[in-house]
Amino acid sequence: EAGVAQSPRYKIIEKRQSVAFWCNPISGHATLYWYQQILGQGPKLLIQFQNNGVVDDSQLPKDRFSAERLKGVDSTLKIQPAKLEDSAVYLCASSLAGGQTGELFFGEGSRLTVL
Amino acid sequence: AQRVTQPEKLLSVFKGAPVELKCNYSYSGSPELFWYVQYSRQRLQLLLRHISRESIKGFTADLNKGETSFHLKKPFAQEEDSAMYYCALASNAGKSTFGDGTTLTVKP
Repeated sequence: EAGVAQSPRYKIIEKRQSVAFWCNPISGHATLYWYQQILGQGPKLLIQFQNNGVVDDSQLPKDRFSAERLKGVDSTLKIQPAKLEDSAVYLCASSLAGGQTGELFFGEGSRLTVL
Repeated sequence: AQRVTQPEKLLSVFKGAPVELKCNYSYSGSPELFWYVQYSRQRLQLLLRHISRESIKGFTADLNKGETSFHLKKPFAQEEDSAMYYCALASNAGKSTFGDGTTLTVKP
């Protein structure tokens, strides 16, 4: 079974520029998550989708971050404009059930460096 | 609000020694607890979950609702257990919150 795919793996940009990350979840997984992981910290949930609807985006800095999941499959996360503190690994995860018993399957992450 | 605390950033033990990675949580509802592991150069993956009550790679974890803890234990650590371990809590809505992780090093 193919795992969660993410791209790009690495991205370096200057502050105030924009960047987009792409995620393709495991086939059939209804729930998709974007996490931000700053060095030395655990993953922090940015947004959770159930199919193509948003379940939770309470931690998403909406003035600069946006995410969409068209057709309930692939998802993109965009940052515009980027700030220095956005330097982190952006993890995409998917789960079959989406509820409490759902195991999260993670991608390899996209490492963003903002200069 | 839900929160997961892993008090130890780093933990180092010798091969064959017992190991315990601590996890405490706060959540007003009925939580589901998980341990995830990230080996060097690999993606984050599930190690075990509270509801299955199983032992994976010799690791076990017991949910103690009175102490709001979900510590991960292994009686005899192996070098291949060296990794980053994250405790996670899933809410009723399926929102998963992670601790900041513990880096376990098992020395030969």
